[in-house]
Amino acid sequence: SAVISQKPSRDICQRGTSLTIQCQVDSQVTMMFWYRQQPGQSLTLIATANQGSEATYESGFVIDKFPISRPNLTFSTLTVSNMSPEDSSIYLCSVEDRVGQPQHFGDGTRLSIL
Amino acid sequence: DQQVKQNSPSLSVQEGRISILNCDYTNSMFDYFLWYKKYPAEGPTFLISISSIKDKNEDGRFTVFLNKSAKHLSLHIVPSQPGDSAVYFCAASARISSGSARQLTFGSGTQLTVLP
Repeated sequence: SAVISQKPSRDICQRGTSLTIQCQVDSQVTMMFWYRQQPGQSLTLIATANQGSEATYESGFVIDKFPISRPNLTFSTLTVSNMSPEDSSIYLCSVEDRVGQPQHFGDGTRLSIL
Repeated sequence: DQQVKQNSPSLSVQEGRISILNCDYTNSMFDYFLWYKKYPAEGPTFLISISSIKDKNEDGRFTVFLNKSAKHLSLHIVPSQPGDSAVYFCAASARISSGSARQLTFGSGTQLTVLP
């Protein structure tokens, strides 16, 4: 399966700032996804990162808050904008190597907002 | 409304015994189910999956059972080992259209502790 590198692995940010998380895959993949895991909760899909077009966001998530880029088949970024303490979570990138195959996850970015 | 539920937040088992982790779902459109294992500071790792056309799938020490009528699946680990101690997530998906990606809906996870 694809090897997924996520950066940064963790960060502590000030309220009102923005942070961009990078997800790099060692091979071309069909689909890339961004998830959030809030403390003590399950993984929730934020959006599907589409190559060459706008991301597809799930209910409750909007582009202004979580802009996503996917310039090619091996790379995507998620920005958490205008952060508040409620955004303190683990953010995870996942990929689907081929259609129908299980998703594989990066190690996540642990984000704390003061 | 949680479509995938793991009602046991934690489970402790003696080494060598069987671990049984349970998962219930409500969406009858789900046709593919997965189990992931997660260690602290790591991302979830895919463990095993099952399609709705089957009722059992086995891979080494891991077996997943699916009861469609009850909308219930379970993961059996036999024999359990201390290295199995992790959080286990159940996930379910429904294919939106042919050739499209599957969006996963996760349960809240069960912390398994295997005692030596």
